[in-house]
Amino acid sequence: SAVISQKPSRDICQRGTSLTIQCQVDSQVTMMFWYRQQPGQSLTLIATANQGSEATYESGFVIDKFPISRPNLTFSTLTVSNMSPEDSSIYLCSVEEVERYEQYFGPGTRLTVT
Amino acid sequence: QQPVQSPQAVILREGEDAVINCSSSKALYSVHWYRQKHGEAPVFLMILLKGGEQKGHDKISASFNEKKQQSSLYLTASQLSYSGTYFCGTEGRAGGTSYGKLTFGQGTILTVHP
Repeated sequence: SAVISQKPSRDICQRGTSLTIQCQVDSQVTMMFWYRQQPGQSLTLIATANQGSEATYESGFVIDKFPISRPNLTFSTLTVSNMSPEDSSIYLCSVEEVERYEQYFGPGTRLTVT
Repeated sequence: QQPVQSPQAVILREGEDAVINCSSSKALYSVHWYRQKHGEAPVFLMILLKGGEQKGHDKISASFNEKKQQSSLYLTASQLSYSGTYFCGTEGRAGGTSYGKLTFGQGTILTVHP
């Protein structure tokens, strides 16, 4: 399976600031997704990162708050903008490999907003 | 709609068996199963596709009843390493717009004691 890395692994940020999270894969993948997992909760899909086009956002998530880039088939970024304490969560990227349906998660970024 | 998992929690002794169920209110294309340990990212266990066969490896297997929109994960002869939270992720693929997008259940906490 693909090897996925995320940076940073954790961060503590002040409200009103922004943080950009990077997701790097060691092979080309067709699909990349960004999820949020709030403390003690399940995983919620934020958006699909589309290579060469705008991301597709799920209900409740907007581009102004969570801008996403995907410049190529191995890399994507998620920015959490104008943060508030409610944004404190683990943010995970996942990938689906070419011609396979299995999805794998990166190690996650643990964000705390004070 | 979020799939419903049952039970919410289960406690086992080493060597005992467990079944975790995942039920959806919408037609499913695939069901993905993950295990997440505290402080770690979800780890892929297996995927069941519409029209596919029951899957399994080692002492973990799963089934997918397309007509009932249900999946079950079977853990036999449990080991201490099986402890964690199990999530099912469902994919609907309605009209192609939901390709690869997973909706996760609320999770089942499995604890295995010596």
